[in-house]
Amino acid sequence: SQTIHQWPATLVQPVGSPLSLECTVEGTSNPNLYWYRQAAGRGLQLLFYSVGIGQISSEVPQNLSASRPQDRQFILSSKKLLLSDSGFYLCAWSLDRVYGYTFGSGTRLTVV
Amino acid sequence: GNSVTQMEGPVTLSEEAFLTINCTYTATGYPSLFWYVQYPGEGLQLLLKATKADDKGSNKGFEATYRKETTSFHLEKGSVQVSDSAVYFCAWGGNTGKLIFGQGTTLQVKP
Repeated sequence: SQTIHQWPATLVQPVGSPLSLECTVEGTSNPNLYWYRQAAGRGLQLLFYSVGIGQISSEVPQNLSASRPQDRQFILSSKKLLLSDSGFYLCAWSLDRVYGYTFGSGTRLTVV
Repeated sequence: GNSVTQMEGPVTLSEEAFLTINCTYTATGYPSLFWYVQYPGEGLQLLLKATKADDKGSNKGFEATYRKETTSFHLEKGSVQVSDSAVYFCAWGGNTGKLIFGQGTTLQVKP
């Protein structure tokens, strides 16, 4: 069966520090991968998606970047965090529009 | 452009009340439609889905029918429980596989 792992679960980082969040998928090949951010009490904002290794599409300009070094690995990074980067970060994978998304358990990032 | 609109929350109900959360979409073609649920502090879980017009998705007592004529996918449950308290997201998926989400509706069920 397919599973998705996302870590860490919580993270507190000072302003200006780097960030690396990792997401891995097991049990499937060539999934579409997504990073979303959810601000407190708000909806979901799509940050990046990837349809294959090394292929990254950015939905909004921001202080973050994403990479897909392996088929089932998706990494969200920042060189210097801002206070506004705080939020709940969710990774998801899908195969097609019929299948829908499977989400990871999320990372709660607080920038202080 | 393509979008999903949900009724604003929070929706506050007493236990065993009937629930409706409205969802309408704007899309070209024939999207798939989904409802996701997010419990406090957790990621989103797929609640139900429908992939073509007139399909009814159902799970855990929740139902939603894909109405192409009204471009709607309203979520319903006959008798809510305190454990149903969560945020509910409506979403549609087009040919790219990418989902478009509504803004979410918070449901609070009181005993």
